[in-house]
Formats: sequence, C-alpha cells, structure tokens
Amino acid sequence: NAGVTQTPKFRVLKTGQSMTLLCAQDMNHEYMYWYRQDPGMGLRLIHYSVGEGTTAKGEVPDGYNVSRLKKQNFLLGLESAAPSQTSVYFCASSLPGFERKSPLHFGNGTRLTVT
Amino acid sequence: GNSVTQMEGPVTLSEEAFLTINCTYTATGYPSLFWYVQYPGEGLQLLLKATKADDKGSNKGFEATYRKETTSFHLEKGSVQVSDSAVYFCALRDTGTASKLTFGTGTRLQVTL
Repeated sequence: NAGVTQTPKFRVLKTGQSMTLLCAQDMNHEYMYWYRQDPGMGLRLIHYSVGEGTTAKGEVPDGYNVSRLKKQNFLLGLESAAPSQTSVYFCASSLPGFERKSPLHFGNGTRLTVT
Repeated sequence: GNSVTQMEGPVTLSEEAFLTINCTYTATGYPSLFWYVQYPGEGLQLLLKATKADDKGSNKGFEATYRKETTSFHLEKGSVQVSDSAVYFCALRDTGTASKLTFGTGTRLQVTL
C-alpha cells in the first residue's frame, strides 16, 4: 500500500541547475498538489492539478513548472534553481474538491538544498 | 480569503501532562477542519478531522471540537507521551474549485520524561 511516493528524497543543486521532482500516487485520486515547507511558514501551495492534463498556480508558483501527463503522476520542475528554493517539498493527492470532507494524503517529502 | 492561526511553539511538556494547542480559522465557505502530525523526517499524517460545526474528531487520545461560534478547532490530549513529540498542523479545506488545504504554521511539541 504505497500511497504517495516522492523521488528523490534528498538533492543538492548548484544555483542555475535544473531538476524534476516526481510524485506518484496509487489511490486513483483526481487532485494532486505540490507544497513547500519552510521554517515558521507552514506549508505553502506551489501548483496543483484537478485532473490529468490540467495544472494551476498556487500561492508561490514563481520559479516552478509542473506537468500532469498521467493521472497517477505529478512532476515539479525547477528550470534554474535559486538558493531561495532551498526547502522541503511535499506532494499530496486527494479526492475531488467537492469532497471537502476528504483529507489530503502526503508523501514523505524531498529535501532540496540549493547552494 | 481563508487562513489558519496556530499558537506559536515550541510547547514543552512533561510526560502525562495535559496538552492544548490552539487553532483558529477564517473561511469564506463551510470548511472541514483537520489536524495533521509530522514526526521528524517524515511527511504529514492525518491525525483527526471534523466536517461540520460541533463535530468532535478524535484519534490516538487526541481530540478537537469544531466550534463555529468561536471559529476554533483546538487540539487536546489528556496525557501526553514522549512518542507524541512532533509538529502539529491545523488545516482547513473549504468548498470551491480544487478545494485546497490551508495550513497554520505548525506547533512543535516536545515531551520529556
């Protein structure tokens, strides 16, 4: 019972490098999200998707891009990493938005350091 | 817009002490309310939830009651254990497109022997 799986778990980048974080869920959830967690700021939404082929911006989308080519996968890309993107990134999935009683299910996170 | 405010931590308690972590919210619709727990090095796990006013969510000895009149969802436990040491997040999920989760900033709990 995998749930939400994120890869990689850790990554160190130099400023200007690019990378892609992968999120996979096996719960057949329509909605998927990318959050970042920074000390004292809780979790902030970067991008989200309400279904295969759709994406939308969250609170802090600048510097990130996403793609949802398959229902079970949601990719987060950094085209040119900056030190301000040093953070822990969490992917989550859920039932559709009208199912507000349903919680989000989270992966274990990716710790990214940009030097 | 929606927002969640939690008491600042860290909260340090002795084992078997009573725990309260305050959470208040503002929302435009009729939200569901959640408490998530994050153990060191792990992701967020759902601890409990309440989906309408006066509902009480409970799990593992933790409880929280959805109080619409005070817009609060305080987390309580009668007797904490060292294994409860973690960061606790209050969150709401409102109606509307995408129905995103809005989080508080988290409260770190440290329980000592």
